[in-house]
Amino acid sequence: DAKTTQPNSMESNEEEPVHLPCNHSTISGTDYIHWYRQLPSQGPEYVIHGLTSNVNNRMASLAIAEDRKSSTLILHRATLRDAAVYYCILRGPTAGGTSYGKLTFGQGTILTVHP
Amino acid sequence: GAVVSQHPSWVICKSGTSVKIECRSLDFQATTMFWYRQFPKQSLMLMATSNEGSKATYEQGVEKDKFLINHASLTLSTLTVTSAHPEDSSFYICSAVDRGQGVRDTEAFFGQGTRLTVV
Repeated sequence: DAKTTQPNSMESNEEEPVHLPCNHSTISGTDYIHWYRQLPSQGPEYVIHGLTSNVNNRMASLAIAEDRKSSTLILHRATLRDAAVYYCILRGPTAGGTSYGKLTFGQGTILTVHP
Repeated sequence: GAVVSQHPSWVICKSGTSVKIECRSLDFQATTMFWYRQFPKQSLMLMATSNEGSKATYEQGVEKDKFLINHASLTLSTLTVTSAHPEDSSFYICSAVDRGQGVRDTEAFFGQGTRLTVV
């Protein structure tokens, strides 16, 4: 799997936007960019994913660079509940189907939100 | 959205005993489930891939005889930590993908995790 690079940590104030960057310079043309987050003592939860175009959902927005070598997860108004580790993960096509859904986690970015 | 339920949420066991952790997909069929382990302040590490009706595939360095995986139905996979030792204390997490959605970019769903403490 292609590798991603994220800052170890970031801080934000409550109700301010947060931009979480991810570099993936070796991304292949068929890799999807996925973001998950993990709240303390919980399993990860899906945030958003995309391929080429920017994506929006109720949780966040995903801005993908034109060359796809980087992306940014945008939380429009951070809340205290958004404090978590955010993982940027590339998912490519899976041959044979037996690894369908397999995710390789990096270290992620620890997001701290201040009241 | 789809839900994956993991049980128990936490367990304390004595060294040398075995512990079983269940992972259920509640509203979809999951022909494949994944088991991860996470040590404090570290990221998730994939342990094994659990395939319904066949043997699990273990990642390099994971002892298959110690971490027994059974995926007997399309909605249930179990991980049994046999002869547990204190170094097996960790946060175990399962995940599953709804194959019914049929596309490779489908999101994965995770259980809430099981905190295992071996004393």
